[in-house]
Amino acid sequence: GQQVMQIPQYQHVQEGEDFTTYCNSSTTLSNIQWYKQRPGGHPVFLIQLVKSGEVKKQKRLTFQFGEAKKNSSLHITATQTTDVGTYFCAERVYGQNFVFGPGTRLSVLP
Amino acid sequence: ETGVTQSPTHLIKTRGQQVTLRCSSQSGHNTVSWYQQALGQGPQFIFQYYREEENGRGNFPPRFSGLQFPNYSSELNVNALELDDSALYLCASSPGTAMNTEAFFGQGTRLTVV
Repeated sequence: GQQVMQIPQYQHVQEGEDFTTYCNSSTTLSNIQWYKQRPGGHPVFLIQLVKSGEVKKQKRLTFQFGEAKKNSSLHITATQTTDVGTYFCAERVYGQNFVFGPGTRLSVLP
Repeated sequence: ETGVTQSPTHLIKTRGQQVTLRCSSQSGHNTVSWYQQALGQGPQFIFQYYREEENGRGNFPPRFSGLQFPNYSSELNVNALELDDSALYLCASSPGTAMNTEAFFGQGTRLTVV
């Protein structure tokens, strides 16, 4: 079945440092959605990428979709304690469901 | 908040028992999906309902079943509970099954099987 992998599994950064998580697939992805889940919370939609090479920005967050549509990344500039949580990438499978990656857990030390 | 509500928020059951979890989808959303999220893992797709019909199922045994009602609210039923069923159960609603729709998740039901 389809599998979406993410690295790293965990990342600890000092507040103010940058952070990047990578999402990879062995097959071409039709789309990628990114979600954030705070500790004890539920996944919250961040963004969707559809086009090859697409780059989208949300304030300090930059999302990229690879040219071959087999990978994606989320980069956070100058992390803050409010960025703490687990970041998931997910592919929307046609008419069915989302295949989620295992997530990257981000800790930000003040 | 997403407008998707789940009940109960926490539940403790004994192995072998049956459980029913409920989800009220966001207004206007006719598609509801259920996910199981074990501790430290990503959500795993259980099944999806579109206009009261199951139209997709993940790799879960038949003792996981569901319903969607005319108002698009949904239930997840699990029979013969096992210890490994302990997890956060998430319901997500969407305004359809198109590829460009996002999922709006409820806060989840944390089920503990002892």
